[in-house]
Amino acid sequence: DVKVTQSSRYLVKRTGEKVFLECVQDMDHENMFWYRQDPGLGLRLIYFSYDVKMKEKGDIPEGYSVSREKKERFSLILESASTNQTSMYLCASSLEEDDYGYTFGSGTRLTVV
Amino acid sequence: AQKVTQAQTEISVVEKEDVTLDCVYETRDTTYYLFWYKQPPSGELVFLIRRNSFDEQNEISGRYSWNFQKSTSSFNFTITASQVVDSAVYFCALSEAVGSGGYQKVTFGTGTKLQVIP
Repeated sequence: DVKVTQSSRYLVKRTGEKVFLECVQDMDHENMFWYRQDPGLGLRLIYFSYDVKMKEKGDIPEGYSVSREKKERFSLILESASTNQTSMYLCASSLEEDDYGYTFGSGTRLTVV
Repeated sequence: AQKVTQAQTEISVVEKEDVTLDCVYETRDTTYYLFWYKQPPSGELVFLIRRNSFDEQNEISGRYSWNFQKSTSSFNFTITASQVVDSAVYFCALSEAVGSGGYQKVTFGTGTKLQVIP
């Protein structure tokens, strides 16, 4: 089975800190995505990548950046964490031609204090 | 811009009842995909189904069934004889091509929380 692993399940950071959220998938998927999930807002796309060193902005990229140096790893970076970035962050991956939708990680619940 | 609306925020049913989760979408494209995902309390979203815009056949998988109607832009999900294990948040999603690269962008609805009471 494809597995998407997010490095931390829970994370608490201070305002202004630089935060790294790591995501690794083990099935050679081309596509990787970062979403944040907030009550009443569903999942909103932050950034996505369809190839190594490639990145595209999603719907809410402000305050975030990403890095994809290797195919299996897609990192989300909060340049200077703020309290409004407290959220559940979900990483997902998929094949280029994918009949089975996305495979999601278990999520990282980030609290910025 | 594409949009997915799940008007039902929370639904409670008693075990063994049937329940339908509604999903209405908006898109300008003629080619697109619709999805349903389940998010149990553990948090990990689980893929349930994908349907492309040219396939309006209803789908049944065990106790789950999906009704896709292009005329009303709806892709509803019915659970028959609900069970406690069905308790979860269910997301409907829409995928369409964006940009010159033809990349697929998925937009999720806000989710419907289903509680099945024993």
